[in-house]
Amino acid sequence: GEDVEQSLFLSVREGDSSVINCTYTDSSSTYLYWYKQEPGAGLQLLTYIFSNMDMKQDQRLTVLLNKKDKHLSLRIADTQTGDSAIYFCAEISGGSNYKLTFGKGTLLTVNP
Amino acid sequence: DAGVIQSPRHEVTEMGQEVTLRCKPISGHDYLFWYRQTMMRGLELLIYFNNNVPIDDSGMPEDRFSAKMPNASFSTLKIQPSEPRDSAVYFCASSYGQGSEQYFGPGTRLTVT
Repeated sequence: GEDVEQSLFLSVREGDSSVINCTYTDSSSTYLYWYKQEPGAGLQLLTYIFSNMDMKQDQRLTVLLNKKDKHLSLRIADTQTGDSAIYFCAEISGGSNYKLTFGKGTLLTVNP
Repeated sequence: DAGVIQSPRHEVTEMGQEVTLRCKPISGHDYLFWYRQTMMRGLELLIYFNNNVPIDDSGMPEDRFSAKMPNASFSTLKIQPSEPRDSAVYFCASSYGQGSEQYFGPGTRLTVT
């Protein structure tokens, strides 16, 4: 079945860039997402990218997609303490337009 | 809109008891999803509905779990009898249309002792 892998932890200093990486196995993925989860809260969609794109930029966020290697990354520029959260990579496979498969999440810690 | 509403936010119960989690999706959304989040397994999709009809319940762990959606504005996830391994955060999410953004509720943290 589909699988999404992420590193579990990332620690950066305030003002630096953060890069969170994700790999997936389903070559028929149509949409790939990044969700953010703050403590005690539900998941919030940050950004998404279509599988026919290789880059998407949205203010401080840059998403890069390498479809050949099935690799997705999220870059946060000028990381702030408020960016500390768990970030989830997720994909919707081509075989199902409704089911999201999530990675286990990357805990981003931003140190002042 | 108030977003997806879940109740209760926290539930502590003893093993063997029945637990009912509730969800009110965003008005107008036609898809509703139930997820479970644990440290070990991450986020798992349990079941989802389209227009109040269950479409895929392959993620429901076992017969102790059941979900209903009697109308477009309400869904329940029931566990009977509950076990300690059911302890997790349960999220409800809703969306409008095929493949569109899912909006998550704040979750219900369930502890079964």
